[in-house]
Amino acid sequence: DAGVIQSPRHEVTEMGQEVTLRCKPISGHNSLFWYRQTMMRGLELLIYFNNNVPIDDSGMPEDRFSAKMPNASFSTLKIQPSEPRDSAVYFCASSHNRGGSPLHFGNGTRLTVT
Amino acid sequence: AQKVTQAQTEISVVEKEDVTLDCVYETRDTTYYLFWYKQPPSGELVFLIRRNSFDEQNEISGRYSWNFQKSTSSFNFTITASQVVDSAVYFCALSPPRVATDSWGKLQFGAGTQVVVTP
Repeated sequence: DAGVIQSPRHEVTEMGQEVTLRCKPISGHNSLFWYRQTMMRGLELLIYFNNNVPIDDSGMPEDRFSAKMPNASFSTLKIQPSEPRDSAVYFCASSHNRGGSPLHFGNGTRLTVT
Repeated sequence: AQKVTQAQTEISVVEKEDVTLDCVYETRDTTYYLFWYKQPPSGELVFLIRRNSFDEQNEISGRYSWNFQKSTSSFNFTITASQVVDSAVYFCALSPPRVATDSWGKLQFGAGTQVVVTP
């Protein structure tokens, strides 16, 4: 069975450029999550969706970040314009929409903004 | 507010030794879920176990075992007879119950404990 698929695995970009991270959740999962991992702040929830609808985006650091889920099998996280402090590993995760369902994470996208 | 504390930053052991990872949590919810995840050097996050707050039975899975004690708000993880492949960062996480659509799914992760197993 395919797990959560994220692309690209690595992204290096210059400050000011737009970055788009992509995620394909596990088929049948109706909740999707974007997390960011840094040494300083650990794992932080940025936003999550239930049935393609954003439920809580309070973790999105600022207006430069946006996320969409146009259908059940695809989501994007966009940063525009990017800044060096956005450098981190970004994880997408999916799960069933019921209490206690474990999150299944993708392999992450390592973003470096120079 | 929810909080997960993993006080041990790094634990180094020699292969075949046992290692116990501590996890202490804080929550006002009467029901909740606890999780452990493993992050090997390759970087992915691997789900290991989920525990419902109503279920205080300890669990064993191969060389892994978990000790959940609601009275002390702890959910400790033991690796018995450690192996080099156990080297990873281990995260404890807490999730509220699905009572409101705006709170469920908000896994609160601890800072993680790095386990280093040397041959």
